[in-house]
Amino acid sequence: IQLTQSPSSLSAFAGDRVTITCRASQDISSYLAWYQQKPGKAPKLLIYGASTLQSGVPSRFSGSGSGTDFTLTINGLQPEDFATYYCQYLRDYPITFGQGTRLEIK
Amino acid sequence: EVQLVVSGGDLVQPGGSLRLSCAASGFTYSDHYIEWVRQGPGKGLEWVAVSRSKANGATTEYAASVQGRFTISRDDSKNSLYLQMNSLKTEDTAVYYCARDFDNQGVWFFDLWGRGTPVTVSS
Repeated sequence: IQLTQSPSSLSAFAGDRVTITCRASQDISSYLAWYQQKPGKAPKLLIYGASTLQSGVPSRFSGSGSGTDFTLTINGLQPEDFATYYCQYLRDYPITFGQGTRLEIK
Repeated sequence: EVQLVVSGGDLVQPGGSLRLSCAASGFTYSDHYIEWVRQGPGKGLEWVAVSRSKANGATTEYAASVQGRFTISRDDSKNSLYLQMNSLKTEDTAVYYCARDFDNQGVWFFDLWGRGTPVTVSS
């Protein structure tokens, strides 16, 4: 299974709504997670099962999709949201990650 | 506190060996799948290996890029597992993380990550 994220990088203002897309090379049902990673830090789980928000993650983050097309949406960007985001497939091995989307402040 | 502590990263020459440790605290690691993930300099995340839970036979799987060179071992008395890396190549240079794989009614995700340890393979 290959995951392709788009865009690879994105610039936005605080307060904006942004959407990141992850496309799977074949049907993966809802076996998709999203992570946020800041420089020098381990990734942090945001969304699992394509649309379930991890406990403690702000509600401005949301995920949707199933099959091959998935999206991560952030409503009302906050300064702390500027980071790199990865999608991940985990149902079979090898587990795969998208190549990442770098979200930068404009 | 529930956490994973990763250690053992170092500078090693090509062809050399290194052993990384992943120590769990606040939970019993053998009740979970524990994954290894790496991130090369300026690159994305790459899955490396898994040690399945004891209930699932404590079996292992490896990425094709490390198959035959990397091996996971376990020490239940220390609540730790180890990634033995042999025949290291320059392309193995990365920060290595271990992570807990959590199963929520058939939906899996990495809910706990260690801080990562840097491995540099260079002459």
